Amino acid sequence: GAVVSQHPSRVICKSGTSVKIECRSLDFQATTMFWYRQFPKQSLMLMATSNEGSKATYEQGVEKDKFLINHASLTLSTLTVTSAHPEDSSFYICSAPLSGVNTQYFGPGTRLTVL
Amino acid sequence: AQKITQTQPGMFVQEKEAVTLDCTYDTSDPSYGLFWYKQPSSGEMIFLIYQGSYDQQNATEGRYSLNFQKARKSANLVISASQLGDSAMYFCAMREGQGGYNKLIFGAGTRLAVHP
Repeated sequence: GAVVSQHPSRVICKSGTSVKIECRSLDFQATTMFWYRQFPKQSLMLMATSNEGSKATYEQGVEKDKFLINHASLTLSTLTVTSAHPEDSSFYICSAPLSGVNTQYFGPGTRLTVL
Repeated sequence: AQKITQTQPGMFVQEKEAVTLDCTYDTSDPSYGLFWYKQPSSGEMIFLIYQGSYDQQNATEGRYSLNFQKARKSANLVISASQLGDSAMYFCAMREGQGGYNKLIFGAGTRLAVHP
């Protein structure tokens, strides 16, 4: 079946550094990918919609300059958390819809810890 | 306004019993899709079942069934013959519109604990 991968699965970084998270569709092309953030014991909150070849669409309240999204190919979207701070510590998870299938395929998630 | 409401923060069920997880939704779009996902402690999101707004019959997938009551705007998940491995967070989600590329909106989730 369709698979979405994320890398890294876990990252710990110092405050002020930037972290890049990759989301790949492994056996299908994804012109659209979604990035979610999940704080402990909370639900998934959509951050942005990543569109191949064009700018991402950010949800209200999400800082586009802080969470940079690049969707440079049909199988790869990246989320860069710039100048990360402890409050950015969270579980980041991406998903990609597959044409003709009534679901989105989720990556395994990336747990970011900012010290 | 909250579009997806899961009113049960936690539920307990005895192994082999059935359990219903509640979900209500709000939308003015006549075309929408409703989803249930399971999230174990590992964090992965596991797709369980889908119901389209125009589907006449309730969706079923193995031990999972969706009790779709359109007039009440509810889409409850029924898990039959609960197993210990069913212990996890369960999220109801909605996609507005017909397109599979539209975003999902998630409810707050329900934590299910299955007891032996």
